[in-house]
Amino acid sequence: DTAVSQTPKYLVTQMGNDKSIKCEQNLGHDTMYWYKQDSKKFLKIMFSYNNKELIINETVPNRFSPKSPDKAHLNLHINSLELGDSAVYFCASSQGVAGEAETQYFGPGTRLLVL
Amino acid sequence: KQEVTQIPAALSVPEGENLVLNCSFTDSAIYNLQWFRQDPGKGLTSLLLIQSSQREQTSGRLNASLDKSSGRSTLYIAASQPGDSATYLCAVGEGDKLTFGKGITLSVRP
Repeated sequence: DTAVSQTPKYLVTQMGNDKSIKCEQNLGHDTMYWYKQDSKKFLKIMFSYNNKELIINETVPNRFSPKSPDKAHLNLHINSLELGDSAVYFCASSQGVAGEAETQYFGPGTRLLVL
Repeated sequence: KQEVTQIPAALSVPEGENLVLNCSFTDSAIYNLQWFRQDPGKGLTSLLLIQSSQREQTSGRLNASLDKSSGRSTLYIAASQPGDSATYLCAVGEGDKLTFGKGITLSVRP
């Protein structure tokens, strides 16, 4: 069983479109994250949620809107896609209370290409 | 603002060598430090987590050390194997937030 899963694995779309990436974890974790890995392989946190509540928002454009319907899911919706949004997006989860950094478990990534 | 540096960006060694991967960070007020492995086209796998109160952690052939005062961590890989070829990322934990280095791409030659 996959612990942290993301769909789709690949996403190719035109500039200006709106798209969503889904993430699910079956580990029973309380905290979930979205990271962006750019073309230079630099990995940077975007958001974290704890029990469906936003904890971290790292100055991400408001075209990016995370949504957590329950603590096992954290979806990422992106409006008006731009060329610079092309990257690999990773979802991750960790157990425990917000503020207590623990081991994070990563999904396989979603490779987004904006044309 | 925390900055995490990993040098060199790439490393190639013959099989069987013991090797050390270095990580440095600028702000020593951290909760923990984690080492991850990333295989090409794949997600990250957590290797070791060192809490700020600890000095080192070991798992199999891997040993990670942490010196908060000097802002450094090392990942020691014993008896390297071709299967160890991957990118190794160091990440500093501050609360829930991880700040990553750019990684070291390791190639172990048979």
